[in-house]
Amino acid sequence: RKEVEQDPGPFNVPEGATVAFNCTYSNSASQSFFWYRQDCRKEPKLLMSVYSSGNEDGRFTAQLNRASQYISLLIRDSKLSDSATYLCVVNPTGNQFYFGTGTSLTVIP
Amino acid sequence: GAVVSQHPSRVICKSGTSVKIECRSLDFQATTMFWYRQFPKQSLMLMATSNEGSKATYEQGVEKDKFLINHASLTLSTLTVTSAHPEDSSFYICSAPTEQDATDTQYFGPGTRLTVL
Repeated sequence: RKEVEQDPGPFNVPEGATVAFNCTYSNSASQSFFWYRQDCRKEPKLLMSVYSSGNEDGRFTAQLNRASQYISLLIRDSKLSDSATYLCVVNPTGNQFYFGTGTSLTVIP
Repeated sequence: GAVVSQHPSRVICKSGTSVKIECRSLDFQATTMFWYRQFPKQSLMLMATSNEGSKATYEQGVEKDKFLINHASLTLSTLTVTSAHPEDSSFYICSAPTEQDATDTQYFGPGTRLTVL
């Protein structure tokens, strides 16, 4: 079983829509979780960390469900500029980081 | 956030030559850095973990004699692609973890696009 699994999509949504991505992880002892955004032909950039209590940054909400071992990212009021690939990253311990394959999002005018 | 730089950003070389890529942490020290490869429309693939002061750890299927890694200091790791071939053409990205809010967070370099003719 892969350490981290993500639905690759693609997700094609109209502007203004709400879209959610999930990412499951296999190591129940994992402590740190992140969402990264990667634009075409660019490096991934940290979008937000995922805290146990959930966290929100503007239109973006990240949540952690330890019981079911998944993290989620919710994007409200989608903008054209949100089109990108969203990667979930799990840090089980120390310097180990495991990446999902990424979920492709295209926001359509 | 923390800054990681990579050099060069783009390189084109002839088959059989060697190419060195540098990864630097600009405002923090990194005892560990990671090297990834990404082919078009595919996910990042971890190649190896670079450890300052000791040997790199390579992922399964990555040839250590072909992809030489040297973590020369706490702010610099280099990846040398030896005897490059066209199939080595890819986007190579490094990253380094740094502690933020008591959690290690990965910061990525801007990547190096390698084209082997």
